[in-house]
Amino acid sequence: GEDVEQSLFLSVREGDSSVINCTYTDSSSTYLYWYKQEPGAGLQLLTYIFSNMDMKQDQRLTVLLNKKDKHLSLRIADTQTGDSAIYFCAETGRFGAGTRLTVKP
Amino acid sequence: DVKVTQSSRYLVKRTGEKVFLECVQDMDHENMFWYRQDPGLGLRLIYFSYDVKMKEKGDIPEGYSVSREKKERFSLILESASTNQTSMYLCASSFGVSGSEFPYEQYFGPGTRLTVT
Repeated sequence: GEDVEQSLFLSVREGDSSVINCTYTDSSSTYLYWYKQEPGAGLQLLTYIFSNMDMKQDQRLTVLLNKKDKHLSLRIADTQTGDSAIYFCAETGRFGAGTRLTVKP
Repeated sequence: DVKVTQSSRYLVKRTGEKVFLECVQDMDHENMFWYRQDPGLGLRLIYFSYDVKMKEKGDIPEGYSVSREKKERFSLILESASTNQTSMYLCASSFGVSGSEFPYEQYFGPGTRLTVT
């Protein structure tokens, strides 16, 4: 089947930038998504990018899409302790394993 | 405010029991989904439904069945629970692709942590 892959853990210091990477295999995906899961909660859509875009910026979040390499990344600028969560990369209906971001003060 | 609710946050059942997990959404969404979430494996799709009484198998349907008698409610059934079904179960809903020009965003419930002993 098609796979969405991402690393499982990332640790950064407060104030630094975080970059979470993801690779996918289904080139027909119209949209690609980043979801955030805080402890004890379900997933919430954080941001998305249309497949014909290379970059999308939304306040502290920057999404980069390399369609040729099927690579998606999420950059969080000025990472705060409240950003500590699990971040899931997703195509429609298919999710990666999630990257647990830990922000140290 | 959009809402997806699940009947229980925590559930403990014995091996062999029949288990019902209920999910209700109040957004008039066509699509509903059941996932299980396991550490290191992320979310895996069990079943989804794109309309009342319609269902499609996901990636891991074995040992599960579903029921969608009303648009707002999607039930996941474990006919005979086994220990390897101990997991976090997440329900989600979304508009149908044909019904929206916006991203195919899924709205998730808080999850049910099921333990089978």
